[in-house]
Amino acid sequence: EVVLAESGGAVVQPGGSLRLSCAASGFKFNDYTMHWVRQAPGKGLEWVSLINWDGGSTSYAKSVKGRFTISRDNNEQSLSLQMNSLTTEDSALYYCVKDINSGVLDYWGQGTRVTVSS
Amino acid sequence: DIQMTQSPSSLSAFAGDRVTITCQASQDISNSLNWYQQKPGKAPKLLIYDASSLETGVPSRFSGSGSGTDFTLTISSLHPEDIATYYCQHNDRLPYTFGQGTKLEIK
Repeated sequence: EVVLAESGGAVVQPGGSLRLSCAASGFKFNDYTMHWVRQAPGKGLEWVSLINWDGGSTSYAKSVKGRFTISRDNNEQSLSLQMNSLTTEDSALYYCVKDINSGVLDYWGQGTRVTVSS
Repeated sequence: DIQMTQSPSSLSAFAGDRVTITCQASQDISNSLNWYQQKPGKAPKLLIYDASSLETGVPSRFSGSGSGTDFTLTISSLHPEDIATYYCQHNDRLPYTFGQGTKLEIK
């Protein structure tokens, strides 16, 4: 069974930093591209970032580029998202998502909540 | 960036009704279109990929069609457990973008 377990969400002040993690199990982690997708309270889904199977290729939404960094540790089967210079616009539920084929998102974690507030 | 526009934004129907949700892309995306179902308080779930391929385990009352810029998700006979918000998403090129969602309710 595929399990994606996010952690690290918290309440943080504007301008602060946070690191999200995702522990993956039930599949061969190092075979797949992984993503972060977020959902602000009461809003729709927003793609945030992806990282390919070996970490050699990453991509970011314009809204987070230069502030967020995605990484992975295939030995630990984990995905991370380092978030810096946070603003209230970054408040959301952050999902760790597995990619079955070039952007088809077949498994989603339950999410970890980030709240940016003073 | 490619913009995805869904309609309607919300929809109310009776159990047993045929329900159709549309999604329009701002550029030609061939068949690079996926549909997700999100029930309240839950993570999204993949329903349809490549515009018309049913994900394993998804009931056959769900179907997808379309290519180019215009796509449709159809539920042939609405069940009470289908109450959810439905999102389209393109994976033609980065950045991948989602439609704004269609909230489906039972009358």
